[in-house]
Amino acid sequence: GAVVSQHPSWVICKSGTSVKIECRSLDFQATTMFWYRQFPKQSLMLMATSNEGSKATYEQGVEKDKFLINHASLTLSTLTVTSAHPEDSSFYICSAKKQGYEQYFGPGTRLTVT
Amino acid sequence: GQQVMQIPQYQHVQEGEDFTTYCNSSTTLSNIQWYKQRPGGHPVFLIQLVKSGEVKKQKRLTFQFGEAKKNSSLHITATQTTDVGTYFCAGERTGANNLFFGTGTRLTVIP
Repeated sequence: GAVVSQHPSWVICKSGTSVKIECRSLDFQATTMFWYRQFPKQSLMLMATSNEGSKATYEQGVEKDKFLINHASLTLSTLTVTSAHPEDSSFYICSAKKQGYEQYFGPGTRLTVT
Repeated sequence: GQQVMQIPQYQHVQEGEDFTTYCNSSTTLSNIQWYKQRPGGHPVFLIQLVKSGEVKKQKRLTFQFGEAKKNSSLHITATQTTDVGTYFCAGERTGANNLFFGTGTRLTVIP
């Protein structure tokens, strides 16, 4: 159990366009979902925490108007990178948490902005 | 802000040698978790430590949580090529729901 999927697994987009990444908990209801970003050879940096039905809490330095997070249900959260630029190219990883359990990570989405 | 540091940043070992990575938090943690990430992959959960001074073993891996709940270590005995990857610790603060990842230790095992 405790499977988290992400879609797409990789995406290439042109500078200035927007990209939506989906994160789904397949076999459990997640009270909280998290979005991380990982640049090559670096650690995971928490971008935001989202609870179903409420606004996401963004970490310091993360632009909430650029990285739109929607957590419409207990099994789905989406991250939209708006007006993407080459410096937004990164590995985006979501995780989902059941109350009282550890976080379960998705397989990640590799975004390349050209 | 919350900082979780790991040392060493990189480690090359001969197959069969032991390996240890150390994790230090600037603040007291409610629990610490360890993850392994293979090149090109995503973090895979290994274990969670909750109690002060706790020690847990998984086959050749030994995990320890410090008495002050601010540091932790992962020790691998007799490394194998399958142990290759980056090992991250991640701490959770009391009352908080989010994880702060350590800087990671990249392990290379030379056959």
